[in-house]
This record gives sequence, structure tokens and C-alpha cells, in this order.
Amino acid sequence: AQTVTQSQPEMSVQEAETVTLSCTYDTSENNYYLFWYKQPPSRQMILVIRQEAYKQQNATENRFSVNFQKAAKSFSLKISDSQLGDTAMYFCAFMANTGNQFYFGTGTSLTVIP
Amino acid sequence: ETGVTQTPRHLVMGMTNKKSLKCEQHLGHNAMYWYKQSAKKPLELMFVYNLKEQTENNSVPSRFSPECPNSSHLFLHLHTLQPEDSALYLCASSQENTDSNQPQHFGDGTRLSIL
Repeated sequence: AQTVTQSQPEMSVQEAETVTLSCTYDTSENNYYLFWYKQPPSRQMILVIRQEAYKQQNATENRFSVNFQKAAKSFSLKISDSQLGDTAMYFCAFMANTGNQFYFGTGTSLTVIP
Repeated sequence: ETGVTQTPRHLVMGMTNKKSLKCEQHLGHNAMYWYKQSAKKPLELMFVYNLKEQTENNSVPSRFSPECPNSSHLFLHLHTLQPEDSALYLCASSQENTDSNQPQHFGDGTRLSIL
């Protein structure tokens, strides 16, 4: 069975600082995708970043980057130069390559402090 | 049972059929959600029930109809669906308050295929 664990229910960071959100997962699959989603107060899910397990290079999207450690089954999200608009709930998610399995962590509530 | 349970796990239906997806949470939460996960699109929030009030995404077609009879159960009624509605439908629940975001617990999803 696949599980996704986010061990930090709440985090805060000063504006312009860097913060790292942790995520670990458990799977017996070899080919899969990992995602970080952002959920602002509007409740709509926004895809922040995506990583293919077969790629060793860590994905980056502007101020967002990941530290993907496949052997350790770890997938952390680093947010640089934090902005007030980054305040949201962040979900880590796993999807098997077949697309038939999609698992979410319980989320980390991030607050950016002015 | 614990957590969030969705039934059925898989559903194949024709475009003229009427079916319902069921979600049940045993966590004592007061908010429940329906999400749609398509193969090549980001997760989409469809409906939110928070303390019995419904909030919906205005882009969700009327062929999807939610029902929340109590805080533990959530249904998604389906009728005259289209092939593009084939997706994984995820249910989630949380204990909402006015102070902060709370963790959401997700079910395993229902894989829906429209013929």
C-alpha cells in the first residue's frame, strides 16, 4: 500500500526567508510521480511542482524547488524568498505511473509572517 | 472502520446511466470535499460541505449533484455523464474552524470510467 506522510501540521516563516516542507512516502512501485499542491483559502487546489521518479534531477519552478531522495522516499518542498501569498495549505501527493493510484498527505499549513 | 472510505472503488457506466458515489468519514470532522483528478490535469475541487453549507466550484457541470445528509456522509450523484468525466474522484474530510487551515484526510478514490 502507498502512504504519504507530512509530519508538520503547521509551519510559519518570515517574509523573504526560506522554508522547507517535508514529505515522505512508502511504495513498492518503481515508476511514479510526486506532486506538491497548494490550497489557498479559496479551497481550489493549485499544482506547485511535479517530479517524475525516474528523473534524478530535482524539479524547480521559480521560487519552488524539491529535494527528491528516491532511496529514502523523501520529497521535500523548499520555498525561497517567501511571500505573503504563499500562505496556504500544502499537500504532498503520490501517483503510480499507471494513474490508478493517487494518494495525498494530510497537509501542512504554512503561514508567511510579514 | 477509521478514516475516509469511498465506495465503489471502480465504476464503469454508460452515458445514460444514473449512479452515485459514496463517501463516509469516521473522524468526527465537520467538513467534506469532492475532488476530481483527471489523467493529465491538476486536482480540481468540485464541492465543499462545511457545517452543512455547500460551496461549489461554478465550473462543475450540473450533471454532478452532491448530497450531504449528515456530517459523516457525502454523496456525488451522477447522471448523463460525458466521456471527459472519466477520472478519479477523491473525497476528503477535515475539522474546520475559523482560526486556521486544518489537515484534510483523503479517501482512496473512485475510479470512474464512462463508456
